Amino acid sequence: KQEVTQIPAALSVPEGENLVLNCSFTDSAIYNLQWFRQDPGKGLTSLLLIQSSQREQTSGRLNASLDKSSGRSTLYIAASQPGDSATYLCAVAYTSGTYKYIFGTGTRLKVLA
Amino acid sequence: ETGVTQSPTHLIKTRGQQVTLRCSSQSGHNTVSWYQQALGQGPQFIFQYYREEENGRGNFPPRFSGLQFPNYSSELNVNALELDDSALYLCASSFKGTEKLFFGSGTQLSVL
Repeated sequence: KQEVTQIPAALSVPEGENLVLNCSFTDSAIYNLQWFRQDPGKGLTSLLLIQSSQREQTSGRLNASLDKSSGRSTLYIAASQPGDSATYLCAVAYTSGTYKYIFGTGTRLKVLA
Repeated sequence: ETGVTQSPTHLIKTRGQQVTLRCSSQSGHNTVSWYQQALGQGPQFIFQYYREEENGRGNFPPRFSGLQFPNYSSELNVNALELDDSALYLCASSFKGTEKLFFGSGTQLSVL
């Protein structure tokens, strides 16, 4: 069964700290992996997309890495800010004609001022 | 460039009723996917439409059905509503081949 797991489920850090969110997936035959941000009661915003042939992607203070062989991805957030407080979701698309995404349950991040 | 818009934002129905949720895709996108997100969970794939045809379906019963129109807008229909259908329903559009998803803000459905 294809599953995506995110650890930790919740995280609280002081402003300015660098942090790492983890995502693991059970089947390494992925097409791509996306990291999303979700604010309470809202839709999802795509942060970074990593194709299966890539090792990492960067956008501003965010860096996502992908290790297919170990079934892991990490999202690194540098110099965290209170505005980064949200739920971060990892989603994996497997090699298929549909590219349906399988989501983890997310990491709820709170950055304290 | 317009984003993905969903309507209505909130909806309350009673068990056994039928509901239609609507989604307008981002300009230039030809694929739309629908997801169900229960409280505290990650979104679950319901189905995807490409060029007005269903292009894959998740583990949802046939009472969940959809349509995609020539202008790439879409509808999600749910018949015979059950209490467990209470969730945030998310629409996402994309351009086939890239698969970067752009989500709407969702419709919060409550079934009483």
